[in-house]
Amino acid sequence: EIVMTQSPATLSLSPGERATLSCRASQSLVTNLAWYQQKPGQAPRLLIYGASTRATGVPARFGGSGSGTEFTLTISSLQSEDVAVYYCQQYKDWPPLTFGGGTKVEIK
Amino acid sequence: EVQLVESGGGLVQPGRSLRLSCAASGFTFDDHGMHWVRQVPGKGLEWVSGISWDSGSIDYADSVRGRFTLSRDNARNSLYLQMNSLRAEDTALYYCVRDRGSAGISPFDHWGQGTLVTVSS
Repeated sequence: EIVMTQSPATLSLSPGERATLSCRASQSLVTNLAWYQQKPGQAPRLLIYGASTRATGVPARFGGSGSGTEFTLTISSLQSEDVAVYYCQQYKDWPPLTFGGGTKVEIK
Repeated sequence: EVQLVESGGGLVQPGRSLRLSCAASGFTFDDHGMHWVRQVPGKGLEWVSGISWDSGSIDYADSVRGRFTLSRDNARNSLYLQMNSLRAEDTALYYCVRDRGSAGISPFDHWGQGTLVTVSS
């Protein structure tokens, strides 16, 4: 099983600041990595796939990077509507398809 | 517009069974793999089971293997999860999820709103 580890658990930033979220895989994913955003009371939403490709309708302030075992989700200028939990997920190998534990992004 | 509408959740006693359904619309159902992902309220996401477009590939998380059965009916644009021998640890919100591809190993590009399963005596 590929284990996904996210850090930090919580990120508290002011509006307009840059948010950097990390995701590490226990083995190489190449670029088979997705990021999801889950706002309070809502289902998750696909943000990024292929490690760096934005899904349809995702604002340009969201960017993904990385390959192999180290990945990063960046929010270039944090907005109030970005308050959410962000999950990474590997789809390199199944079963199982695995998620990280999530990073909660808060506004200071 | 892609829609995934789950049903069948509810309160059930340990050891009993429940069948979840997912009605899909707004896309060509048999072009896509489908999955169930669950989430204990306030906790993270756990993949439960996935199925390829033609049911040729089906697999399960170890935590449910042998107890849950995933199936699909492409003629009815529907996905099903038969859950037997339910345990308290199966209590969660169950999401029906569309795979971006057909084989069942792509990102999840559409999610339903979920159906809550509570296993308790």
